[in-house]
Amino acid sequence: AQSVTQLDSQVPVFEEAPVELRCNYSSSVSVYLFWYVQYPNQGLQLLLKYLSGSTLVKGINGFEAEFNKSQTSFHLRKPSVHISDTAEYFCAVSLYGTYKYIFGTGTRLKVLA
Amino acid sequence: EPEVTQTPSHQVTQMGQEVILRCVPISNHLYFYWYRQILGQKVEFLVSFYNNEISEKSEIFDDQFSVERPDGSNFTLKIRSTKLEDSAMYFCASSYSPTNADTQYFGPGTRLTVL
Repeated sequence: AQSVTQLDSQVPVFEEAPVELRCNYSSSVSVYLFWYVQYPNQGLQLLLKYLSGSTLVKGINGFEAEFNKSQTSFHLRKPSVHISDTAEYFCAVSLYGTYKYIFGTGTRLKVLA
Repeated sequence: EPEVTQTPSHQVTQMGQEVILRCVPISNHLYFYWYRQILGQKVEFLVSFYNNEISEKSEIFDDQFSVERPDGSNFTLKIRSTKLEDSAMYFCASSYSPTNADTQYFGPGTRLTVL
């Protein structure tokens, strides 16, 4: 069965420090990969997605993620975080031939001053 | 920028009551979805809908659930007889096409509390 694992439920980091949010997936078929962010009282907003091609994907707000097929990972990174990046981040996969997304449990990023 | 909206933001109901959660997808989108997130758990797919038909549903989406597009703008999720375990955040999403590569746009969610 397909699954998405986000091992870190919470990640505290100081402002201007780098951050990496980890995502691993398990699937027997090809997938597309997504990172969404949810700010308080708002919907899920797409940060970036990997469909094919270059394994390094750049998204909005200075975030990027790298697809590693051998490690079945899609970790999200930002070289320097801001207070405004405080939010919940969700990794998701979409399986070829289906309509649905499969989500991880989310990682709460807290940026400290 | 167009966005998906959901009403109400929070709904409290008694066990056994019917609830209807409402969503207004992005206007030119054709494919609609409901997901839910029980507190502390994963966001889970419930159902996808296109051309007035369910195109895919999960095992969670049993006979207690139904979806409808009653007019050209709204997309609703009905739970006929709510149970305590239906308490969750319900997210509506829409996309222009159903291909895996197309981004699904999510609303802010409705928090359903069943007492």
